Amino acid sequence: DAGVTQSPTHLIKTRGQQVTLRCSPISGHKSVSWYQQVLGQGPQFIFQYYEKEERGRGNFPDRFSARQFPNYSSELNVNALLLGDSALYLCASSLIIGTGIFEAFFGQGTRLTVV
Amino acid sequence: AQKITQTQPGMFVQEKEAVTLDCTYDTSDPSYGLFWYKQPSSGEMIFLIYQGSYDQQNATEGRYSLNFQKARKSANLVISASQLGDSAMYFCAMRPISGSARQLTFGSGTQLTVLP
Repeated sequence: DAGVTQSPTHLIKTRGQQVTLRCSPISGHKSVSWYQQVLGQGPQFIFQYYEKEERGRGNFPDRFSARQFPNYSSELNVNALLLGDSALYLCASSLIIGTGIFEAFFGQGTRLTVV
Repeated sequence: AQKITQTQPGMFVQEKEAVTLDCTYDTSDPSYGLFWYKQPSSGEMIFLIYQGSYDQQNATEGRYSLNFQKARKSANLVISASQLGDSAMYFCAMRPISGSARQLTFGSGTQLTVLP
């Protein structure tokens, strides 16, 4: 079975540009979350989507946006890139969003470098 | 609000020995889950073990066990019989079980190096 897949794996962008990152969850998983991991730190929550609806948003500026498609894949968009947006962006999928054991499966991430 | 604290930026352990990675947490949620993830240099976060706040017994998964002390708000990871492949970054994380928030809150991580 395919795990969580993210594309691209690496990306270099210039300040002020826009970027779109993509995530395909594990088949059957309906919840997708995005995390930003700056070098040397733990991941920080950006967004969570379940059944195509936003269910949570972290403390990130409006330059960050996301959406989930009918096939449960997701895109993360970042506008007006800043040097500080350079990070590893991780996507996680899970089977349920409700109570109970919550095991989030992560992709290998997209490493974004803003120059 | 939730907070995870990992006070060991780096740890060294000899191959085949046991090692404990510390994690303390703070939350106002009545029920929550605690997680440990392993992150190799490749970047992928690998789920290791889970402990629910309502679980009476400490969780175990193979060579991994979670030493959960609710009163002290600690959830330390114990790795027995360390292997060279265990060298990686380890993150403690938590999330509430009740309520609408479902995101994971991570600590800053501990870099574990297993020495031959």
